[in-house]
Formats: sequence, C-alpha cells, structure tokens
Amino acid sequence: GQQLNQSPQSMFIQEGEDVSMNCTSSSIFNTWLWYKQDPGEGPVLLIALYKAGELTSNGRLTAQFGITRKDSFLNISASIPSDVGIYFCAGRFMDSNYQLIWGAGTKLIIKP
Amino acid sequence: KAGVTQTPRYLIKTRGQQVTLSCSPISGHRSVSWYQQTPGQGLQFLFEYFSETQRNKGNFPGRFSGRQFSNSRSEMNVSTLELGDSALYLCASSLGIGLDYEQYFGPGTRLTVT
Repeated sequence: GQQLNQSPQSMFIQEGEDVSMNCTSSSIFNTWLWYKQDPGEGPVLLIALYKAGELTSNGRLTAQFGITRKDSFLNISASIPSDVGIYFCAGRFMDSNYQLIWGAGTKLIIKP
Repeated sequence: KAGVTQTPRYLIKTRGQQVTLSCSPISGHRSVSWYQQTPGQGLQFLFEYFSETQRNKGNFPGRFSGRQFSNSRSEMNVSTLELGDSALYLCASSLGIGLDYEQYFGPGTRLTVT
C-alpha cells in the first residue's frame, strides 16, 4: 500500500538548536498533518496543511506543504527539552478513500 | 469540549482470551479510527468507521474486529489473544470523512498479553 517516507528516523540535538524533518511520497497528497506523541500518550495534532505551498506556524513550529504536493516539512526553532518525543507526518490523497496514511515517525532526543 | 476518551486505560489479559476496548469520540464527531502501536513503532491502521459503517480496513487478521454505534461510540474486539497483540491501541475521531478532516487521538489503551 501507499507509504510515506519520513526522515530522519531519529535526531539527537542540543537544546537551542533548530530541527528539520520531512515526509515524501510517490503520490500527490491533498492534505498533510503533523503530530507529536509523548511516551504512553496519543499523538497530538500540531499543524494541518491543505494547499500546495502553504506555510503554517504554531509557535516555534513551522510546517510547509511542498509545491509538488509530494512532500512536507516540519521545522522546530530553538528546541527546548519538552520538544522531545516522536513526530509523525500523515496525509490523505484522493485515491486513498480518505484514509490517513502515516509516516514511521521521527524520534527527537535532546543531548544531555 | 471533552476530548476522545478510551476505556480502559490499561488491561492485562492472557493468551487465548478475548478483549473489548471502547472509544468515545469528541462530541459531534462521526468518524472513528483505530490504530495499533507497538513499542518504538509507528501507527498501524486497523479500521475506520463512519456512521456505523466500516469505511477502511488495514491489514490485520480477522481476530481484530470493530463496530460503531449510532451515538458514534466505537468498540474494537480482539479474539484469541496472542503475545504479539501487546500494544498501545489508539482511537482517533474526526468530524467526518474527507480530505479536510483532522483526526484527534485519545490517550490509548495499553494492552498487555501474558
């Protein structure tokens, strides 16, 4: 079935650094969603994107819907300890019967 | 507005037993999706319901089943439990089915099979 390629798989960062992660697909997507999951909890929606080229911010987080509609990026500026967790991208495209397709996640770890 | 609630939060069962998990969506939401997440893994899609009808189904054996009630509440059932069924089971709800609908997750039910 359709999959999203999310990278990197994990990131080790210093507090204060900027972070960037992305998702790519071989299909054209109509919707991109970015979620964060803390250990033992359900994912929380961070940002939703609906138009190609759309750039949306949520505090220190910024996400973009790629122009080709086959990718999306999430950036976190000036990371802080509470940014630690797993970030997931998810998307929908016309032929998916509206089912959300998920990336495998990017695990963010703060170096001590 | 209350979020998605899942009960129970934690459950311990033995191999061969069956289990039923419950999900109450956000008020007004008519679509419910279920996911399985094993440690360190991503979200594996189980099924999606809308207006009491299963709309999509993932690649899980027939031991996994679900249903949705007229009030949009949903249950999933796993029969003949196996050790590999130990996982966090997540429920997500959305207003409807379509390109523009966002999913909101509950806290999950942690199932341990011994």
